[in-house]
Amino acid sequence: GESVGLHLPTLSVQEGDNSIINCAYSNSASDYFIWYKQESGKGPQFIIDIRSNMDKRQGQRVTVLLNKTVKHLSLQIAATQPGDSAVYFCAERKMWGSNYKLTFGKGTLLTVNP
Amino acid sequence: SQTIHQWPATLVQPVGSPLSLECTVEGTSNPNLYWYRQAAGRGLQLLFYSVGIGQISSEVPQNLSASRPQDRQFILSSKKLLLSDSGFYLCAWSVPPHRGFNQPQHFGDGTRLSIL
Repeated sequence: GESVGLHLPTLSVQEGDNSIINCAYSNSASDYFIWYKQESGKGPQFIIDIRSNMDKRQGQRVTVLLNKTVKHLSLQIAATQPGDSAVYFCAERKMWGSNYKLTFGKGTLLTVNP
Repeated sequence: SQTIHQWPATLVQPVGSPLSLECTVEGTSNPNLYWYRQAAGRGLQLLFYSVGIGQISSEVPQNLSASRPQDRQFILSSKKLLLSDSGFYLCAWSVPPHRGFNQPQHFGDGTRLSIL
């Protein structure tokens, strides 16, 4: 069941600094991972994804690192900007019968200070 | 390009009233469709999942139901709302695995549902 009174992990950075958001996933059989950004009052927005046969993938200002040994995923944002302030979720994909499902983490709130 | 629309954006309903939330996807055919609920400060909970018209899988037992009357239309319903149904409801779509195995889900902007 869900925990009562759960608070989101938070990360506060200065504008221009690099941000690193971490995520621990649960299933060693998960084969695909996604990072989403969710701004207040909006739906999650896809940022970047990575397959389990990779350990690093880069996008525009973002890098995802995957460490399967310790089941850890991180999102690095370079030169963080005020517009990056949002909640960031990781998601892992697991097989579910003949299809698959995504399981989402609870998110990290990133606040960028000007 | 593909787009997903949800409406209404916000909804206030009394306990015991019915519910209908609608989601439509444009620019793709035969998508997988999903309904999620997001409680404040928590992750996304999958409620329903559909791989085609009339095909609905329920992830958790609850007071809600889902229907897919058309290929790109997904509806979340309830006959009698409970206080515990309050939350932020998100619809999502993805390319089915046979058309692209490593593809993310794409979300709408959600409906904020408040039950009084």
